[in-house]
Amino acid sequence: QKEVEQDPGPLSVPEGAIVSLNCTYSNSAFQYFMWYRQYSRKGPELLMYTYSSGNKEDGRFTAQVDKSSKYISLFIRDSQPSDSATYLCAMGNQGGKLIFGQGTELSVKP
Amino acid sequence: DGGITQSPKYLFRKEGQNVTLSCEQNLNHDAMYWYRQDPGQGLRLIYYSQIVNDFQKGDIAEGYSVSREKKESFPLTVTSAQKNPTAFYLCASQTGLGTEAFFGQGTRLTVV
Repeated sequence: QKEVEQDPGPLSVPEGAIVSLNCTYSNSAFQYFMWYRQYSRKGPELLMYTYSSGNKEDGRFTAQVDKSSKYISLFIRDSQPSDSATYLCAMGNQGGKLIFGQGTELSVKP
Repeated sequence: DGGITQSPKYLFRKEGQNVTLSCEQNLNHDAMYWYRQDPGQGLRLIYYSQIVNDFQKGDIAEGYSVSREKKESFPLTVTSAQKNPTAFYLCASQTGLGTEAFFGQGTRLTVV
């Protein structure tokens, strides 16, 4: 079993839809969690960083962490065609290396 | 501007050759990473370094080597022992383990 599981998609939604992207993990020692956006042939760009359970909001993006369920989510409100990209979750613990999910490919249709 | 610079952007290698990918950062970060990304797959860790003159193997270190002689630099050598080196290589850095990680723009290596 992989330490981090992420549905690879592809996920296709109409413009304006609310998008939910999810990752599950097995290592209860993970303490910090990140979401990255990666456009084709580019390096991943950090979107959200969270260190505890709960929600964190930044504009149209909300990151949610539920440590009891070992489940994290990224919500995108009012999705735009420019949001079309691959979204990667990542997590780790103090003193440990980062572990990435497989990435979910998202397409937002005008 | 602060950031992570990877070079070259595209690299072609003949069978049996060693090639070195450059990664430089001016963020004063202690930790640096190398990942490999193949189509439809996530990021797989090759090597990481928490401090100068020290580095650890990741999940797929065979056929690769690194050095960390300076805080700013973490070059990756893809040796002829790497059987399937064609991939997209990404370098990242963190202030320290447990903090946000930032990526370079990647190097696409192709074996010809």
